[in-house]
Amino acid sequence: SQQGEEDPQALSIQEGENATMNCSYKTSINNLQWYRQNSGRGLVHLILIRSNEREKHSGRLRVTLDTSKKSSSLLITASRAADTASYFCATASDKLIFGTGTRLQVFP
Amino acid sequence: EPEVTQTPSHQVTQMGQEVILRCVPISNHLYFYWYRQILGQKVEFLVSFYNNEISEKSEIFDDQFSVERPDGSNFTLKIRSTKLEDSAMYFCASKPDISGNTIYFGEGSWLTVV
Repeated sequence: SQQGEEDPQALSIQEGENATMNCSYKTSINNLQWYRQNSGRGLVHLILIRSNEREKHSGRLRVTLDTSKKSSSLLITASRAADTASYFCATASDKLIFGTGTRLQVFP
Repeated sequence: EPEVTQTPSHQVTQMGQEVILRCVPISNHLYFYWYRQILGQKVEFLVSFYNNEISEKSEIFDDQFSVERPDGSNFTLKIRSTKLEDSAMYFCASKPDISGNTIYFGEGSWLTVV
C-alpha cells in the first residue's frame, strides 16, 4: 500500500510557534498532497507537491518532499488558534490514499 | 470558487434500509470519487469513477454499494442494505483530469445507522 503515515499523531503548541508534521509513505507517487480537516467537517486542500519537486511554499505553509526517503513534512509557521485541526498527507497516483493524520492543537 | 456539494449533510437510517447519498461535482471535472471516514479513523478510498464507469474500487466497496451518474451533474452513492458499521462520514470528490491535479472534496454526508 502507498499509505501515508503521519507523525506525530497529536501536537499541542502555543500560538506563534511553528508546527511540523511528518509523513512517510511506501511506494512511488505522482504527487503528495496535504489536507486539513476541522472536526466533523470536510477536507480542505492545502498544498500539492509533485514528485520532482523538493520544496514548496504557500503563505505560512512550507512542504518538503524527499522521494529517496519516501517522506514529506508540513511546516506551519507562526501558528494561530485557527490552525487547530487535523492534517493529513495523501499520496496520489490514480487516487488519493490518506494517512492517519496529525491532530494539531494551537493554544491562544 | 466552484465546489463539490453533497446532500444530505446528515442522515439517520434504520439498519437494513437503503440510503442514497448525492453529490454534485465541480462542473468541468471528469473524475469522481467516494471516500468514507469512520469516526476517529482515517479517510478511506471507496471508489473512483470515470467515463460513466467505475475505474477502481476498494475492498470496502462490496456488492451493497453502487455508484451512478444519472445525469450530467449528479453523482450518487447507494448503500443497499445498511449495516451499523456503515455509519461514517462519506465524502465525494472530483478532479478535472487524470494528471496530478488537486482532488476537491465536498463537506461530507454523515450517515448514522441505528
